[in-house]
Amino acid sequence: GENVEQHPSTLSVQEGDSAVIKCTYSDSASNYFPWYKQELGKGPQLIIDIRSNVGEKKDQRIAVTLNKTAKHFSLHITETQPEDSAVYFCAASNNQAGTALIFGKGTTLSVSS
Amino acid sequence: DTEVTQTPKHLVMGMTNKKSLKCEQHMGHRAMYWYKQKAKKPPELMFVYSYEKLSINESVPSRFSPECPNSSLLNLHLHALQPEDSALYLCASSQDEGGHQETQYFGPGTRLLVL
Repeated sequence: GENVEQHPSTLSVQEGDSAVIKCTYSDSASNYFPWYKQELGKGPQLIIDIRSNVGEKKDQRIAVTLNKTAKHFSLHITETQPEDSAVYFCAASNNQAGTALIFGKGTTLSVSS
Repeated sequence: DTEVTQTPKHLVMGMTNKKSLKCEQHMGHRAMYWYKQKAKKPPELMFVYSYEKLSINESVPSRFSPECPNSSLLNLHLHALQPEDSALYLCASSQDEGGHQETQYFGPGTRLLVL
């Protein structure tokens, strides 16, 4: 089955710096890769996702890149702000509806002002 | 509107109690999910309903019993739980059209404490 590795487990940056979180996956059949942000006491919130027919996707300060050959994908946050502080989870799944998202273990991002 | 609602927000129950968690979405999604999340861990899938039929049960103990009364509602019935079942229970939904994976939207969760 699919296995998703996520690094680093914790990341501390200064406000305004960039943050990068990396994930690798094992199943070449996986073709959907969402990223979720989870604040304390809340459910995961989708922030960006990418499908395997695309190499990069950007939404304002957030971007995701995908390297299918190497089986890894990364989240890039530019100009970080204190409100970006949260736990970030990457996930992978195949293209079948109603199937499980396989999550990485999460990265706790702390942005200090 | 991408809102999934869950009630109650918090629940404390004894090991002999019976309680239910409720989840609702009005996005027309036809796949609904229950996940369990322990502190500092990622969500773990428990059950998937597709078009109101149970399609995945991840070997969850029978003390957890899911129910999908209609396409907008998902319940999780709890009975004779153990203290180790204390966790955040998350509901999610997705479009489920044409067999393609669609974005899963999560609710805020129910924080369950079993005494």
